[in-house]
Amino acid sequence: GAVVSQHPSRVICKSGTSVKIECRSLDFQATTMFWYRQFPKKSLMLMATSNEGSKATYEQGVEKDKFLINHASLTLSTLTVTSAHPEDSSFYICSAKTQDLGYTFGSGTRLTVV
Amino acid sequence: GQQVMQIPQYQHVQEGEDFTTYCNSSTTLSNIQWYKQRPGGHPVFLIQLVKSGEVKKQKRLTFQFGEAKKNSSLHITATQTTDVGTYFCAGPYQAGTALIFGKGTTLSVSS
Repeated sequence: GAVVSQHPSRVICKSGTSVKIECRSLDFQATTMFWYRQFPKKSLMLMATSNEGSKATYEQGVEKDKFLINHASLTLSTLTVTSAHPEDSSFYICSAKTQDLGYTFGSGTRLTVV
Repeated sequence: GQQVMQIPQYQHVQEGEDFTTYCNSSTTLSNIQWYKQRPGGHPVFLIQLVKSGEVKKQKRLTFQFGEAKKNSSLHITATQTTDVGTYFCAGPYQAGTALIFGKGTTLSVSS
């Protein structure tokens, strides 16, 4: 089945630094990738929709200058958390719609900003 | 704005008991999907329902899509400890192809 590989799975960074999260579709082309954020014991909140070759579409309240999304190829989308602060600590998950039913999710990245 | 509500938030059952989670959308959905997320894991696709009144079964799991295509349910018969996790319903945003998720129902099962 379709697989989305997400790296890193865990990252700890210092306040003020930037962190890049990668999502790759391994056996299919993902023209669109979705980025979600999940707080502990909470639901997934859509942050942005990433489209290959064009600018991402951000949801209301998500700072585009803080959460930089790049979708340079049909198999790779990246999310960069810039100038990270402790309140950015969260679980970030990417997702892509596959030809089969449903959406495939990456394994998630747990970001801790200290 | 568009919302997907899900109840209950938490449910604890004894192994062998049944379990049901309910999902209700503020808008009519073209389809509804169900996902399971194990503790520490990521959501895994379970099923998609498309037709009004549709019922689908996967072993001990029964999924229903309401006649008005605004509500859905997931019923697990004779729960097992392997059923532990959070079950999310999700439907497509009206404006695009992204999914809007319910808040999820976390199921715990004691043996």
